[in-house]
Amino acid sequence: DAKTTQPNSMESNEEEPVHLPCNHSTISGTDYIHWYRQLPSQGPEYVIHGLTSNVNNRMASLAIAEDRKSSTLILHRATLRDAAVYYCILRPLHGSSNTGKLIFGQGTTLQVKP
Amino acid sequence: GAVVSQHPSRVICKSGTSVKIECRSLDFQATTMFWYRQFPKKSLMLMATSNEGSKATYEQGVEKDKFLINHASLTLSTLTVTSAHPEDSSFYICSAELGVGNEQYFGPGTRLTVT
Repeated sequence: DAKTTQPNSMESNEEEPVHLPCNHSTISGTDYIHWYRQLPSQGPEYVIHGLTSNVNNRMASLAIAEDRKSSTLILHRATLRDAAVYYCILRPLHGSSNTGKLIFGQGTTLQVKP
Repeated sequence: GAVVSQHPSRVICKSGTSVKIECRSLDFQATTMFWYRQFPKKSLMLMATSNEGSKATYEQGVEKDKFLINHASLTLSTLTVTSAHPEDSSFYICSAELGVGNEQYFGPGTRLTVT
């Protein structure tokens, strides 16, 4: 099954945009790209997901490379409440032993400085 | 977004006893729920997939007789840690799926401490 690679940590200043990268060079055609985040001592929170086209919602934007081998989660204006661990996960829709599952990697710990 | 609750949020039990954790989808019906475990400063590890009305599917290395999962209705799944030991102390998190292949909504987690 395809894996993702994310930087261990990133820093951002409050009110500035944040671009969180994710590499997934072995992605298959049926893998959706999901992003979740987890604040300390809480369950993860869904952020956004996409397949091929860029996606926008009230929380963030997801930019997917044309070859789908990488993606970037964009927080348009970071706030202190955005400090969390961000997980980029490939979720197979079918045809895999991990179909439908979320297999979490180590994620990127985002620090937001005031 | 959809809301998932867990009860209790925190539990301390003695070694050898059993503990039941409930996971409820409050405003939607979930045919599939998932159970995860998270050790300090580690990522979430999927334990099992729970389907309403059928037996749970456990991930490799997870003992099904130790971690009993019941998904009796479309809004409730339970995880029972049987004969708990200190090494079972962990943060247990459930999630529910809003339809096949859609996003998962997570509960707030249950902190289990076995003394």
